[in-house]
Amino acid sequence: KAGVTQTPRYLIKTRGQQVTLSCSPISGHRSVSWYQQTPGQGLQFLFEYFSETQRNKGNFPGRFSGRQFSNSRSEMNVSTLELGDSALYLCASSLDGTSTNEKLFFGSGTQLSVL
Amino acid sequence: AQSVSQHNHHVILSEAASLELGCNYSYGGTVNLFWYVQYPGQHLQLLLKYFSGDPLVKGIKGFEAEFIKSKFSFNLRKPSVQWSDTAEYFCAVNAYSSASKIIFGSGTRLSIRP
Repeated sequence: KAGVTQTPRYLIKTRGQQVTLSCSPISGHRSVSWYQQTPGQGLQFLFEYFSETQRNKGNFPGRFSGRQFSNSRSEMNVSTLELGDSALYLCASSLDGTSTNEKLFFGSGTQLSVL
Repeated sequence: AQSVSQHNHHVILSEAASLELGCNYSYGGTVNLFWYVQYPGQHLQLLLKYFSGDPLVKGIKGFEAEFIKSKFSFNLRKPSVQWSDTAEYFCAVNAYSSASKIIFGSGTRLSIRP
């Protein structure tokens, strides 16, 4: 079974641009969560999608948005990039996220650098 | 809102030393607790989890964690570390009231001297 796939692996953008990151969950998984990982901050929860609906949201500005498609693939978009958005963006999938003891399966992440 | 604190940012130990990494969470209700590990160049993966029953949980590679409800803690332990345990360790909490929103701590980097 293929794992969680995130593309692209690396991205370099300049301030003010926008970016779209993609995540394909493990086959059969319907919940997709996004996290921002930075040194010293750990993993900050961005949002979680299930059945094409955003079910939970973290404390990030509206420049961060996402969506999920009918095949459970998810995209995350960041508009008007700022230097502070430089980070590793991780996607994680789970079966349906309704059980609080469900394990998350993580992708390798997309390393975004904003210059 | 739930939150997780990991007080040790970087721990350096020699091989065979004992390990304890602290994790405290803030949430008054029922929670599930997790430890995830990120080995150099690898994906984050689950080390162990607590959801009910025996508060002492055993995970992979000889790790264990103890849930102490009165202290809101879920510390990770290993009696004798190996060089291969060098990694970053993240504690996480999932509150029953908001399933699917798993909150992580800031992580603890563990370096093992051979």
